[in-house]
Amino acid sequence: KAGVTQTPRYLIKTRGQQVTLSCSPISGHRSVSWYQQTPGQGLQFLFEYFSETQRNKGNFPGRFSGRQFSNSRSEMNVSTLELGDSALYLCASSRSQGGANYGYTFGSGTRLTVV
Amino acid sequence: AQKVTQAQTEISVVEKEDVTLDCVYETRDTTYYLFWYKQPPSGELVFLIRRNSFDEQNEISGRYSWNFQKSTSSFNFTITASQVVDSAVYFCALSAPGRGSNYQLIWGAGTKLIIKP
Repeated sequence: KAGVTQTPRYLIKTRGQQVTLSCSPISGHRSVSWYQQTPGQGLQFLFEYFSETQRNKGNFPGRFSGRQFSNSRSEMNVSTLELGDSALYLCASSRSQGGANYGYTFGSGTRLTVV
Repeated sequence: AQKVTQAQTEISVVEKEDVTLDCVYETRDTTYYLFWYKQPPSGELVFLIRRNSFDEQNEISGRYSWNFQKSTSSFNFTITASQVVDSAVYFCALSAPGRGSNYQLIWGAGTKLIIKP
């Protein structure tokens, strides 16, 4: 079966712009979580969506937002980009909310560079 | 507070050596899950194992084995007869409800494993 698909793989944006990243989960998975990975901060949880509702949120500013569609595909948006937003953004899908009891499958990530 | 510590930043061994990656976790929850993921240079996080807090049985999968000890809050990962293809960054992660009932993954900093031919 198809894995978790993240698009685009690479992105270069200018400070102040906004960006939208996309994640298509494994078919049948209703939970999508987003993580940011940077060399300095490591992997950090952004938010989780389940059945089109945000269920959990990490400690990121309001510039980071997301949504989930009825087909479970999710998008995350970062507005007013800052240099520090340069990172690998990873999406994970799971069968259930929280995902721990079933585990998480990750996509290959979107590498965002802000210049 | 919930925390995962991978004290080994980088490990370098020669192929065919055994290597153990350490993971120590902190949580006050009685129900929690522990994970190991592998991240090759391509960036994708590859799932290796999930263990819940009620299952302390050690596990072996081919050359990989895991030692879960609640008494020391550790979940260590051993690769036997390492191979160059094992070179990657390995992450240990904890999933626990914390203050709410929403699980999220708390990650260790990762251990970069270099296997030299």
